[in-house]
Amino acid sequence: KAGVTQTPRYLIKTRGQQVTLSCSPISGHRSVSWYQQTPGQGLQFLFEYFSETQRNKGNFPGRFSGRQFSNSRSEMNVSTLELGDSALYLCASTLLDRGNHEQYFGPGTRLTVT
Amino acid sequence: AQTVTQSQPEMSVQEAETVTLSCTYDTSESNYYLFWYKQPPSRQMILVIRQEAYKQQNATENRFSVNFQKAAKSFSLKISDSQLGDTAMYFCAFKGGSNYKLTFGKGTLLTVNP
Repeated sequence: KAGVTQTPRYLIKTRGQQVTLSCSPISGHRSVSWYQQTPGQGLQFLFEYFSETQRNKGNFPGRFSGRQFSNSRSEMNVSTLELGDSALYLCASTLLDRGNHEQYFGPGTRLTVT
Repeated sequence: AQTVTQSQPEMSVQEAETVTLSCTYDTSESNYYLFWYKQPPSRQMILVIRQEAYKQQNATENRFSVNFQKAAKSFSLKISDSQLGDTAMYFCAFKGGSNYKLTFGKGTLLTVNP
């Protein structure tokens, strides 16, 4: 089975621009979560989607948004980029069947805001 | 809110030796899951081991085992017969039974020396 894939792997943007990141979960996994990883703050939860519905949202401003499609693929969008948004953005998928709560991570998208 | 604390920012061990990484957590939930993830330098985060809170038996995966002390809210990871490929950042993570997000510790950077 293919793992979680994320595109693009690297991205350089300018302050004020917006960006869209994509995540394809493992086949059959219906839950997709997003995390931001920075040296200072560590790993922080952004949001989680299941069946195209956002069920959980972390403590991030409204500039961070996401969505999930019927095939479970997910995108996250960051508008009006700030320098502090530079981070590794990780996507994780979960089967959520028979009590399986393990999250499997993709390689991440490295976003640099200049 | 749940918190996860990893008190050892860095550790080193000689190849073939055993090392234990510490993790404590705080929660008021009775049903939850604990995980150890490994993130090698510039590589993907992978799941090392998981533990369900309702199980008294400590989880084991080959050279990796945990010491789960529910009353003390402690969840340490023991790596036996350390290998060079074990060099990585190790994250302890908590997931509540009714929640869909992972709360991570700050991580422990483990270096295995030849």
